[in-house]
Amino acid sequence: EDKVVQSPLSLVVHEGDTVTLNCSYEVTNFRSLLWYKQEKKAPTFLFMLTSSGIEKKSGRLSSILDKKELFSILNITATQTGDSAVYLCAAGTGGGNKLTFGTGTQLKVEL
Amino acid sequence: DGGITQSPKYLFRKEGQNVTLSCEQNLNHDAMYWYRQDPGQGLRLIYYSQIVNDFQKGDIAEGYSVSREKKESFPLTVTSAQKNPTAFYLCASRRSGGLGNQPQHFGDGTRLSIL
Repeated sequence: EDKVVQSPLSLVVHEGDTVTLNCSYEVTNFRSLLWYKQEKKAPTFLFMLTSSGIEKKSGRLSSILDKKELFSILNITATQTGDSAVYLCAAGTGGGNKLTFGTGTQLKVEL
Repeated sequence: DGGITQSPKYLFRKEGQNVTLSCEQNLNHDAMYWYRQDPGQGLRLIYYSQIVNDFQKGDIAEGYSVSREKKESFPLTVTSAQKNPTAFYLCASRRSGGLGNQPQHFGDGTRLSIL
């Protein structure tokens, strides 16, 4: 059975802190690892990673994939209250690129 | 505006009743997906379709049905056989083909509750 595990389940930090969110996966026919941010409604796409060791960056967010250890991290530097959300990790598999999701990390950034 | 539109935003179902959730996209995406989200469980795949007139079961298809008669539309019917339908339902679509993988993008969801 395909499985994606995220840690921590929840996290409270102060503005300006740096956070690291973890995602491990155990799936068959792996194709990609994706990160989404979910506030109230639709998950919004952050990153898609397919190659090991290549960091993807967007502003204060960055992510990297380790296909040998079956692991990805999402880093957020200089956190802001607007970063408060649930961060979802998903592994894409198979010809249909089906996504298997983790349960998410709830991040709260306080002033 | 290009995007994925789900309707209605909120839906109430009586016991024994079938209900249909709408998902429309104008992104010209080939693939479409339905997920269910429950508290503490993440998103789980119900059905997906890679092309018009074809669809496959996901991990939790029992009690649900879909159709894909048009590229832009992928409605989900929650039947009376689904014993615990209360959840947040998310539709997604993805451009397939071309070079490399493409991410799935999501609609704003429909929250279904049992009366």
